[in-house]
Amino acid sequence: DSGVTQTPKHLITATGQRVTLRCSPRSGDLSVYWYQQSLDQGLQFLIQYYNGEERAKGNILERFSAQQFPDLHSELNLSSLELGDSALYFCASSVDPRPYEQYFGPGTRLTVT
Amino acid sequence: DQQVKQNSPSLSVQEGRISILNCDYTNSMFDYFLWYKKYPAEGPTFLISISSIKDKNEDGRFTVFLNKSAKHLSLHIVPSQPGDSAVYFCAASATGNQFYFGTGTSLTVIP
Repeated sequence: DSGVTQTPKHLITATGQRVTLRCSPRSGDLSVYWYQQSLDQGLQFLIQYYNGEERAKGNILERFSAQQFPDLHSELNLSSLELGDSALYFCASSVDPRPYEQYFGPGTRLTVT
Repeated sequence: DQQVKQNSPSLSVQEGRISILNCDYTNSMFDYFLWYKKYPAEGPTFLISISSIKDKNEDGRFTVFLNKSAKHLSLHIVPSQPGDSAVYFCAASATGNQFYFGTGTSLTVIP
């Protein structure tokens, strides 16, 4: 158990809908990272927050957004969902702003039908 | 554009033998490399790292080798155990910015 929690574990929704994925980092970790893993793909970095502020942005679509709240939990919002958004979404956390030692949650599996 | 590549999707090894997992990268600015291990239904867990100032790092049964001129790194597991069966991802970063992950190699250790 990494100490990072993600909810829900599974999510099935229809195209065009909007969903919110939630992540609680390990106690004491200030950084939260979001990754997407599509079928046969590596983990694609989406976005990082550090202590409530956006710190780095990767290949995140404009239809996706995220935020980190004062209690340090984070939410990833995915809107106007397309079939291609079906993937595993991982959250990770670290103490430092630099992602050298990240602890990953178990992931949320999103299926868009 | 895949900056980190793991060209072998799968690998099978007998218990007790050496497992060698390979990873290639294209960006010469990468200076920090990680290996993660992932079991089904779990998130990746950190295994071992190496910075570009070194060419080898060992941690118990796990050794990572870095060949900067070839832009290649490898993870050696000796001796391999059935519990090592998992998907292994390599990842690379330039100056601590975002990490780029490979697509993973599924290792099966046969008892």
